[in-house]
Amino acid sequence: DQQVKQNSPSLSVQEGRISILNCDYTNSMFDYFLWYKKYPAEGPTFLISISSIKDKNEDGRFTVFLNKSAKHLSLHIVPSQPGDSAVYFCAAFLSSNTGKLIFGQGTTLQVKP
Amino acid sequence: KAGVTQTPRYLIKTRGQQVTLSCSPISGHRSVSWYQQTPGQGLQFLFEYFSETQRNKGNFPGRFSGRQFSNSRSEMNVSTLELGDSALYLCASSLTTFTDTQYFGPGTRLTVL
Repeated sequence: DQQVKQNSPSLSVQEGRISILNCDYTNSMFDYFLWYKKYPAEGPTFLISISSIKDKNEDGRFTVFLNKSAKHLSLHIVPSQPGDSAVYFCAAFLSSNTGKLIFGQGTTLQVKP
Repeated sequence: KAGVTQTPRYLIKTRGQQVTLSCSPISGHRSVSWYQQTPGQGLQFLFEYFSETQRNKGNFPGRFSGRQFSNSRSEMNVSTLELGDSALYLCASSLTTFTDTQYFGPGTRLTVL
């Protein structure tokens, strides 16, 4: 039962354009959502998070949007740069009970110069 | 400021053995979380410690345990190792909660033979 899904395994965009990475979830009780970036042969890097009480959070070129009614979040990267080429993971956190953080499968972003 | 350090970086064990991994967070960070990264399962959350207490826990069997010391350093223990435990084990630290900015260590590559 995949509670957090990233349905696009890969995405290719041109440098300077917008990259939109999508993530769907099934449990409306998730409290926080996080995005991570991972380069090959390296560990992940935390990018940005958003509380379930918000619908948008922005940090420089990265903006995360949360649509609770659709159980959907997206990460926008504007403008995209070749150095953004990496695997992006979304994750959802459920604080009730013992607390669980569940990751999506990842989307590989390629930004072409 | 020194980053998150993990020791050892590489480890080879045989089935049935146990292993202890260590993580030293960034100075001043009190939250330490642990993750397992494998090619098949992707990223999975193990647990989070704050002020020497396990605050959140993922869906891993009881063979996986951890602790945090008063200086915020954390250890993770896996008992009765199985082949499927071969993975990159990552720890990350943050000031107070892993839903805020996290900083990852380089990981410990565990191979179980």
